[in-house]
Parts: sequence; C-alpha cells; structure tokens
Amino acid sequence: DTGVSQNPRHKITKRGQNVTFRCDPISEHNRLYWYRQTLGQGPEFLTYFQNEAQLEKSRLLSDRFSAERPKGSFSTLEIQRTEQGDSAMYLCASSLGGGHNQPQHFGDGTRLSIL
Amino acid sequence: GQQLNQSPQSMFIQEGEDVSMNCTSSSIFNTWLWYKQDPGEGPVLLIALYKAGELTSNGRLTAQFGITRKDSFLNISASIPSDVGIYFCAGLYNDMRFGAGTRLTVKP
Repeated sequence: DTGVSQNPRHKITKRGQNVTFRCDPISEHNRLYWYRQTLGQGPEFLTYFQNEAQLEKSRLLSDRFSAERPKGSFSTLEIQRTEQGDSAMYLCASSLGGGHNQPQHFGDGTRLSIL
Repeated sequence: GQQLNQSPQSMFIQEGEDVSMNCTSSSIFNTWLWYKQDPGEGPVLLIALYKAGELTSNGRLTAQFGITRKDSFLNISASIPSDVGIYFCAGLYNDMRFGAGTRLTVKP
C-alpha cells in the first residue's frame, strides 16, 4: 500500500493524558499536512511541513499541540493535557512540493475520543 | 479568512438520477478539488481543477472551475448506490479550505 498511513486508527484516553499520533506520507511527497475534522464539518487545517521544516501553523493549534517531522519522512502530532474538546478525527495528508496547487492525498485518520 | 459555502447540505436521490452540488467563496482560489469521504475513512480525491473555466471528467463525475475562480460545481450522472457518502469541495490558495460537505444518499 503506497498511500498515506496513520496510526493508531482509534485512540481513547482520559482527559489530561498526552497522546501521540503518527503519519507516514506517500514516499515521494515532501509536503505533509495535519487537519482536524469534527462531525458534520470539513477538515480544518492545523499545520504543514515542507520536508522537515514546519512552515505554517493555524491559530487552531494551541500550545498543547506539537508536530514534528524530524527526518522529513514520517510525522508525529502530540497533544498534551488532552481536553474533551480535543475529541475529533485527526487527518494527515501529503502532496508533492512545488507550490500549494498540488492535490493533497489523505490517510484514514486517527479518531481521538477523550473520556 | 476564506470561507467556502457548499450546497446542498444533503441530498436524497433515486438510483439512476443525476446529482449536482456546488461550492462558492468570497475569495479566489488557484485550485479547486473535490473529495469523497466514507464513514471512518479519510477523504479520497475525485477531481482536481487548475484553471478558471476548466471542465474535467472522471467517469460519471464532471467538475468545473468557475470563471471568477470563486466557485466550482460537481455533477454525478446516473447515480449508483456506492455513490453514497459525503462530498467535500476544497479550494487551494496559500492553504486548503474545505466546504462543510454534501451528504448524498442514493435509494436503490
């Protein structure tokens, strides 16, 4: 399978715990994006990387959220001190570089539920 | 910021009917994309449009990039049960913005 891969698919945790999600993009794609999606809404942009550099962060990305892409391949998204409002689907997408006109291809997401 | 207005919010149609949905924005985009999302899965790219006025087909799907660069539509012809899902438009400029989706139900 050469698509975008996300792990875990589901995460249930208690409020206040830290969680980390992983995304493996399509191998030749140098851009990687994180989105959050809540029920009945389209995905909302959180942040993106060009290779290992994090180039943009949405104001939705509070200081409890941190994303890394240390070697320009896979990426992790960590949420510290989770809150109930963090419950959502977290989607990762990747695209070829060369501008923002390249279509993004999505993984199947990590569904986070905060108890 | 850029807002995408997608309509209709939901559609209930009979198998075999044609479907049309659209997206409008107050701002211009360089690229319009249409995605389909099934429950528990990520959005899957259906069609990408790169130029104002462009009309592109993918099987039974046809989409157009509006001349003003502020709108796009998606048509599905001769719908079948597996067309069921949520369709999202997305506009690309400096980042990608999504509409709220059109939920399509197809009755056999």
